Amino acid sequence: GAGVSQSPRYKVAKRGQDVALRCDPISGHVSLFWYQQALGQGPEFLTYFQNEAQLDKSGLPSDRFFAERPEGSVSTLKIQRTQQEDSAVYLCASSLGRGGGEQYFGPGTRLTVT
Amino acid sequence: QQQVKQSPQSLIVQKGGISIINCAYENTAFDYFPWYQQFPGKGPALLIAIRPDVSEKKEGRFTISFNKSAKQFSLHIMDSQPGDSATYFCAATGGYNKLIFGAGTRLAVHP
Repeated sequence: GAGVSQSPRYKVAKRGQDVALRCDPISGHVSLFWYQQALGQGPEFLTYFQNEAQLDKSGLPSDRFFAERPEGSVSTLKIQRTQQEDSAVYLCASSLGRGGGEQYFGPGTRLTVT
Repeated sequence: QQQVKQSPQSLIVQKGGISIINCAYENTAFDYFPWYQQFPGKGPALLIAIRPDVSEKKEGRFTISFNKSAKQFSLHIMDSQPGDSATYFCAATGGYNKLIFGAGTRLAVHP
């Protein structure tokens, strides 16, 4: 596809369940970012990959959050033992280069923890 | 130091008018300032961006004005249309492109 895709688009999880969110970046894009967007707020940085290397995970809110990009393409954000405060839209973005340049966002995954 | 402050929180403009959204930043290491447009249920879409070596950039009806000494930048939407009704986010970054977003401005353009 031409753009960044994410799946699922919507996820409802019971508190305590584990979830996995997938991101397919634009083909050939080296950099991949995950952001969390709470309702009515701007996106907040979670983590950054350059190819398969996770270079920055300073935004991950707790050790329940884990991200990987094993082959430098598709990425998965995993949240273990979900809590109500994890409810948000999770956005993935990719950019062509290793630094500087335009980031293109996917449609996001809306996670609701009940 | 990492914050980007955006105002106003919401904005109502008549069709054909000018919409103006302002942002301010603190971190002088920031060197790339994009604006994103977001419709409900969609991801942010890059609208226009500027680097601090220029004071203004125009693309169609959208203009960014940048004041490096004041650490402020703004988005101007000329001839605003109902289809422009969306939430607009300014952002800033330095180095490898981790974006710091403002809180957003909800724009409504009335016909």
